[in-house]
Amino acid sequence: AQSVTQLDSQVPVFEEAPVELRCNYSSSVSVYLFWYVQYPNQGLQLLLKYLSGSTLVKGINGFEAEFNKSQTSFHLRKPSVHISDTAEYFCVSALYNFNKFYFGSGTKLNVKP
Amino acid sequence: DAGVIQSPRHEVTEMGQEVTLRCKPISGHNSLFWYRQTMMRGLELLIYFNNNVPIDDSGMPEDRFSAKMPNASFSTLKIQPSEPRDSAVYFCASSFDRENSPLHFGNGTRLTVT
Repeated sequence: AQSVTQLDSQVPVFEEAPVELRCNYSSSVSVYLFWYVQYPNQGLQLLLKYLSGSTLVKGINGFEAEFNKSQTSFHLRKPSVHISDTAEYFCVSALYNFNKFYFGSGTKLNVKP
Repeated sequence: DAGVIQSPRHEVTEMGQEVTLRCKPISGHNSLFWYRQTMMRGLELLIYFNNNVPIDDSGMPEDRFSAKMPNASFSTLKIQPSEPRDSAVYFCASSFDRENSPLHFGNGTRLTVT
């Protein structure tokens, strides 16, 4: 069975500080991994995706994530956050046929001035 | 690409009334998903369709909820009769069931049942 665990429900951080949002997945088969961002009162937007190839994936708005197969992790990072990064972030996995998506419970990033 | 289009954006209705939410997926996508998001339960998958056929409706809360996809470009989620506990944001998402096709979400319908 597949599942996605986001270890932190809320992450407070000061502006211009680095941040890491943690995500672990479990799967007995190869998976594809994504990070989505949801700004207040908006839908979910794709931030970045890992399908294959390089384990370091760069996304929009300066975010990046690293796929670590041995640790079954896909942590999201940004070296310097802005107030505008305040949002909820979801880690998602998909099976090979892209007909089943598994969502983590979300991490609320609160960037303070 | 217009993205996934949902209507209405907001819906306020009284308990007992019928509510219909609409979704137009991205052209060419053959999978469509309905999600519900609340503070208490987070994001929940209600139902998904593949090639217009319902594949998994195990997330539909009860018989008051029904979903249809009469063609590749349109889907509805109906609640009849509606109850205050149905208040939530309902998202529609679509994808193409092949590699390199993540989910694309609409902006959601915020439903308030009084």
